[in-house]
Amino acid sequence: SYELTQPPSVSVSPGQTARITCSGDALPKQYGYWYQQKPGQAPVLVIYKDSERPSGIPERFSGSSSGTTVTLTISGVQAEDEADYYCQSADSSAPYVVFGGGTKLTVL
Amino acid sequence: EVQLLESGGGLVQPGGSLRLSCAASGFTFSSYAMSWVRQAPGKGLEWVSTISGSGGSTYYADSMKGRFTISRDNSKNTLCLQMNSLRAEDTAVYYCAKYYPYSSGWPRGAFDDWGQGTMVTVSS
Repeated sequence: SYELTQPPSVSVSPGQTARITCSGDALPKQYGYWYQQKPGQAPVLVIYKDSERPSGIPERFSGSSSGTTVTLTISGVQAEDEADYYCQSADSSAPYVVFGGGTKLTVL
Repeated sequence: EVQLLESGGGLVQPGGSLRLSCAASGFTFSSYAMSWVRQAPGKGLEWVSTISGSGGSTYYADSMKGRFTISRDNSKNTLCLQMNSLRAEDTAVYYCAKYYPYSSGWPRGAFDDWGQGTMVTVSS
């Protein structure tokens, strides 16, 4: 089955830049999406179609794609950005949506 | 404002059944595919099932095929998930999510609105 691979954890100090990667063989052909999930809350879409930002999402959140990897970048990280982040994409060979395993962002 | 309100979760014994519902408001329900996504305690997100806006097409993750049935009533703006033959590994928070086809339909889009979830516990 198709898998998306994320690092389990990323740590940054406030004001620094956090980068969270997501790797998958189909990503050159399929868009990547990113969700933020804080404890006890539902996920929130923060990036769609690799690099687009939904309305209401701060500009410090950005996305990019290169080959088999999509990357979520958070510039000028704030304490409130501490959360779990999940990538999501489509399986190219089956009608399935796939999530990455999630990355816990810790703001030191 | 989009609102998705799940209900129907609870404690059920292994092998038992449960029916989840999601009441939708704030958008034209019949125009959007809807999905269920679950999250086991302390684990990541797992897509469960999706139904097209008309209800004519349904999709399931492999581990749910034959046990779960997704349905919708567009006259009542309600999404349902019938879960049978439940196992301990089905224990999770089940989220109702609105699917947006950012790129040419299922499954190339994403979930742009989520409910708060309903907890399902399968245990004897």
